[in-house]
Amino acid sequence: DAGVIQSPRHEVTEMGQEVTLRCKPISGHNSLFWYRQTMMRGLELLIYFNNNVPIDDSGMPEDRFSAKMPNASFSTLKIQPSEPRDSAVYFCASSLGAFKDGYTFGSGTRLTVV
Amino acid sequence: GDSVTQMEGPVTLSEEAFLTINCTYTATGYPSLFWYVQYPGEGLQLLLKATKADDKGSNKGFEATYRKETTSFHLEKGSVQVSDSAVYFCALSVGGNNRLAFGKGNQVVVIP
Repeated sequence: DAGVIQSPRHEVTEMGQEVTLRCKPISGHNSLFWYRQTMMRGLELLIYFNNNVPIDDSGMPEDRFSAKMPNASFSTLKIQPSEPRDSAVYFCASSLGAFKDGYTFGSGTRLTVV
Repeated sequence: GDSVTQMEGPVTLSEEAFLTINCTYTATGYPSLFWYVQYPGEGLQLLLKATKADDKGSNKGFEATYRKETTSFHLEKGSVQVSDSAVYFCALSVGGNNRLAFGKGNQVVVIP
């Protein structure tokens, strides 16, 4: 398996623009997680899905952030409009059974908002 | 709620030194415990795990033992290399929610 695939790897955008981050989980995994990592705040869980259904989005910082999972093989995290404080590395992870196997993380998208 | 606590601050040590990173947990049930490693510019990778008390996880020379009596899962390596420089995260499974709770991570810097 190719692992969890995220795109793009790097994104530079201007403040106010819409940004869409993409994630393809491992085939067969039924849970998907979006994290944000910054030096100041560390690793933060934004939202997670179980069987394509959002279960907990309490970590989504503002209404500017939204996430979708239209099918088992694709998810998006959208920021609209983007702000400089959204600059961070965004990770996607997937899992079939966290108790036994934990999560598999993607390589991340480094977002810079200027 | 269920959580893990890692020791504060970065760890700097010389090559071939002994490494210990402390991790203690709080849980209402019987969680699984994990260590993840994040190399510069990469995502988190599973390093080792233990699913029940007294289990020892091991990988790449690293070891950690699930100690229920002390609620701990300390990470150890007998002789570190420069290539072990990374951030290390402790994590535990949370109830039946198919979720993990992560510690804040420890930056490890190994000097030649």
